[in-house]
Amino acid sequence: GENVEQHPSTLSVQEGDSAVIKCTYSDSASNYFPWYKQELGKRPQLIIDIRSNVGEKKDQRIAVTLNKTAKHFSLHITETQPEDSAVYFCAASIRWPGSSASKIIFGSGTRLSIRP
Amino acid sequence: GAVVSQHPSWVICKSGTSVKIECRSLDFQATTMFWYRQFPKQSLMLMATSNEGSKATYEQGVEKDKFLINHASLTLSTLTVTSAHPEDSSFYICSARVAGGRNEQFFGPGTRLTVL
Repeated sequence: GENVEQHPSTLSVQEGDSAVIKCTYSDSASNYFPWYKQELGKRPQLIIDIRSNVGEKKDQRIAVTLNKTAKHFSLHITETQPEDSAVYFCAASIRWPGSSASKIIFGSGTRLSIRP
Repeated sequence: GAVVSQHPSWVICKSGTSVKIECRSLDFQATTMFWYRQFPKQSLMLMATSNEGSKATYEQGVEKDKFLINHASLTLSTLTVTSAHPEDSSFYICSARVAGGRNEQFFGPGTRLTVL
């Protein structure tokens, strides 16, 4: 069935270093891959997204890569700062059979801690 | 733009009672809204997709008679948890997709339900 796998579940990096979170998806028809940052008790915030016609996208310290063949996509955060500490979720769009409509399924999340 | 509100932000109720949660798109029309549930330290699990003017589509394992969804207008969807029990205590988050727009979803702030 539809599945989005995410790892690692926890990640601790030194301030200033890079953090990488990886996800895989099962539905070859998925064409939209958002990444969310969630702080405790708050709504998920979209930090970057990528569509299946693009292999890489960058926004300042954040970048996302997509390998459609392998069904992998990754989030890269460079020059990490204390305020980057949060839970990060990858997600993928899943189409309903025979329809152009889709839903978004979340990965299990990664708790990122930035050590000062 | 693209603001989604939820009401109430938190609710405490007795076991056996029903609770209604509202999700509103404030500055755009949303033909599709989504309801997620998030238990502590877990991911967002899609419960159902709410389509304006038609029946909701529920995910596998979600009881449609327990979680009643109504999407009566292009700006409002409601989730009613019927005969709530302590195991229904969770963070409920809705999201909305712009009518005629692309895949991006805009999330509400969430409703924390505690059933005593």
